[in-house]
Amino acid sequence: GNSVTQMEGPVTLSEEAFLTINCTYTATGYPSLFWYVQYPGEGLQLLLKATKADDKGSNKGFEATYRKETTSFHLEKGSVQVSDSAVYFCARLPSFQKLVFGTGTRLLVSP
Amino acid sequence: DTGVSQNPRHKITKRGQNVTFRCDPISEHNRLYWYRQTLGQGPEFLTYFQNEAQLEKSRLLSDRFSAERPKGSFSTLEIQRTEQGDSAMYLCASRSDRSPGNTIYFGEGSWLTVV
Repeated sequence: GNSVTQMEGPVTLSEEAFLTINCTYTATGYPSLFWYVQYPGEGLQLLLKATKADDKGSNKGFEATYRKETTSFHLEKGSVQVSDSAVYFCARLPSFQKLVFGTGTRLLVSP
Repeated sequence: DTGVSQNPRHKITKRGQNVTFRCDPISEHNRLYWYRQTLGQGPEFLTYFQNEAQLEKSRLLSDRFSAERPKGSFSTLEIQRTEQGDSAMYLCASRSDRSPGNTIYFGEGSWLTVV
């Protein structure tokens, strides 16, 4: 089937720690892949995206590489800040269809 | 470009009442989506439009739910005879077929609380 699987949270880190949030997908074809971030009480903001295999999306120090061989799109950041505390959603989009989201991973960063 | 706009942002209603949410997509975006998100969950697809045509409806969209996009611009989502299980955030999103990378942009959401 077509689905997105994310690691369960919460992920609790100290400021300046390294972050990885795992995301894998199952799909036919070659969907576009996205990470969205949701701050408390707000809607979804696009964080980064990749549209084809081996593409690397990056924004605000976050990175994710579209790995076709492992069907993964893991989110990484070298040094997290308290302001990065939010819920992160991985999503896939087959051509001209709807976004399918993972269940989200809550990140808590302490000073 | 003012982004996707949704209103009202918050709505508290009594069980059995009808509610309507409005979404104004980004100008000239031909595709418009509605999602529902409950606490601790990812957004779940409800329905989407290409211009004024409603192309797909999720099984989550019961007979009490109706969505319209009469002129291919703004959209409304109406919930009739609300139930407590309808309490959620309703998210609207839009996309242009001409946008690079098929990026979908979301609004801030409309919170519904049914008491």
